[in-house]
Amino acid sequence: GENVEQHPSTLSVQEGDSAVIKCTYSDSASNYFPWYKQELGKRPQLIIDIRSNVGEKKDQRIAVTLNKTAKHFSLHITETQPEDSAVYFCASGGTSYGKLTFGQGTILTVHP
Amino acid sequence: KAGVTQTPRYLIKTRGQQVTLSCSPISGHRSVSWYQQTPGQGLQFLFEYFSETQRNKGNFPGRFSGRQFSNSRSEMNVSTLELGDSALYLCASSLDWVTRDTEAFFGQGTRLTVV
Repeated sequence: GENVEQHPSTLSVQEGDSAVIKCTYSDSASNYFPWYKQELGKRPQLIIDIRSNVGEKKDQRIAVTLNKTAKHFSLHITETQPEDSAVYFCASGGTSYGKLTFGQGTILTVHP
Repeated sequence: KAGVTQTPRYLIKTRGQQVTLSCSPISGHRSVSWYQQTPGQGLQFLFEYFSETQRNKGNFPGRFSGRQFSNSRSEMNVSTLELGDSALYLCASSLDWVTRDTEAFFGQGTRLTVV
């Protein structure tokens, strides 16, 4: 079945720095790649997503890039703020009803 | 517009008991998916319902089941609870995966503890 590898598992940055999280997927038919942010004790929140017909998408300080050939996609957060501290999950889907396959998560800590 | 609502928020059950969790999707959303979240296994897909039909199922034992009602509300049931079933159970609602309206929005989850 589909597998998603996510790296790094933890990431510590200083406020104002950039943060990059990378994911690799195995199913070449996957066509939908969302990113979720989960704060402690809260629900996963969709922060940005990208479909396979697009190479890059940006929303203010957040951007996602997709390389279909290499089957990997990345989340870029610029000008990080302490409130960006959370667990970030990548996922892949679109080939199987209702199913997203998630990476193991990255704990991002932004130090003031 | 109200978000995805899950009830109850917390449950404590004893091994061998059964439990039913509820999920009310965003108004207009007809697809409801369920996930189990644990520290060791992460987020794992349980099943998906659309128009009262289960369209997809993950790799979980038959003790895990669900259903969906005509108003799109969904329930999942776990019978003969085991200690390893302790987890956060999340549901996610989407418009329709067939039309590629696949943005999934999660509820707050139900924290199940089996003792």
